[in-house]
Amino acid sequence: DAGVIQSPRHEVTEMGQEVTLRCKPISGHDYLFWYRQTMMRGLELLIYFNNNVPIDDSGMPEDRFSAKMPNASFSTLKIQPSEPRDSAVYFCASSRGTGNLPGELFFGEGSRLTVL
Amino acid sequence: KQEVTQIPAALSVPEGENLVLNCSFTDSAIYNLQWFRQDPGKGLTSLLLIQSSQREQTSGRLNASLDKSSGRSTLYIAASQPGDSATYLCAGYMDSNYQLIWGAGTKLIIKP
Repeated sequence: DAGVIQSPRHEVTEMGQEVTLRCKPISGHDYLFWYRQTMMRGLELLIYFNNNVPIDDSGMPEDRFSAKMPNASFSTLKIQPSEPRDSAVYFCASSRGTGNLPGELFFGEGSRLTVL
Repeated sequence: KQEVTQIPAALSVPEGENLVLNCSFTDSAIYNLQWFRQDPGKGLTSLLLIQSSQREQTSGRLNASLDKSSGRSTLYIAASQPGDSATYLCAGYMDSNYQLIWGAGTKLIIKP
């Protein structure tokens, strides 16, 4: 399997622009997570999906952030409008559920976002 | 609030040494625990997952154990190599709410 695939790997944009990050989870995985990582705050869970349904979006910082999972093989995280404080590495992770838990997490390589 | 402490925050040792990284939870009600490594500019790579019915897992030179009674996990690395240099993070699911709680990581440097 190719693992979790994220795009773009790097994105540089100007404040106010819309940013869309994409993720393809591992085939057969029913959980998908979006994380953000910064030096100051470490890893933060933004939102996660189970069977394409958003389960917990309490980590989404503001209404400027939105995430969708239209099918089992694709998810997007959108920031509109972007701000400099959104600069971070955004990770997507997926897992196959065991019992009622998400199971072992596998991460993508991340999308490094810089908002000028 | 559940917190995870990883000790030490940073560690630098000569190649060949055996070493132990620690992970402690304020609440011992851990359901399962996963260890990851992260190389600079890269994503997180899963190393070991200790499930609720297990006490330890081994993969090559790595051994992770989980003591639920004390809320502690250790990651043992045998015969360390420069390629082991990375940041190691632990994350655990809590019994109470199945939230995954993350440690801040241990930055490990193995000197040739």
